[in-house]
Amino acid sequence: EADIYQTPRYLVIGTGKKITLECSQTMGHDKMYWYQQDPGMELHLIHYSYGVNSTEKGDLSSESTVSRIRTEHFPLTLESARPSHTSQYLCASSERAPRGESTDTQYFGPGTRLTVL
Amino acid sequence: KNQVEQSPQSLIILEGKNCTLQCNYTVSPFSNLRWYKQDTGRGPVSLTIMTFSENTKSNGRYTATLDADTKQSSLHITASQLSDSASYICVVSDRGSTLGRLYFGRGTQLTVWP
Repeated sequence: EADIYQTPRYLVIGTGKKITLECSQTMGHDKMYWYQQDPGMELHLIHYSYGVNSTEKGDLSSESTVSRIRTEHFPLTLESARPSHTSQYLCASSERAPRGESTDTQYFGPGTRLTVL
Repeated sequence: KNQVEQSPQSLIILEGKNCTLQCNYTVSPFSNLRWYKQDTGRGPVSLTIMTFSENTKSNGRYTATLDADTKQSSLHITASQLSDSASYICVVSDRGSTLGRLYFGRGTQLTVWP
């Protein structure tokens, strides 16, 4: 079981509210990721980070922002939530791949299911 | 365009039966292929990982195969259990960037009935 946590697990809020989804990992991983997943659809990368003070946008455009002040935390913020933001948000982390391997295994948190009314 | 296609979209089997899930991909250059299991309301958990040179990998009752020439993979589940009910996601990684970009399939939703 991966030591990566997300809170809240479920969130129902009204349009226009500011929200922050928390993600933390205790594995000391440098890389962290945020994915968005709609029911029956594939995961889409929206943000990633190589380490402290490093953040990059992913493949899917998102109005959310992220920060990486500490290695173990990678919170995602929506300044003004809208119904189109309703989705499941998954956080993941990975360590540097062992020598000779090209990519590392990502460990996922349980996700936050966000509903914006 | 890099894509990962999975079939069937959903599958219902009886407990104790075997089943095979399919994954076709067009990701290039290919690095590795993973199968993940995602329980409802949970994050995906890695089952197997295969690189270009590997054509089969087992993890308990799960056996994954890879044909890098035809760009196909399968996940075989033996003697299914109720706890196998989940979405199984095929994930392919490329070698085109430092990030090792992951391409996700939409998953096969497996339901095991008693």
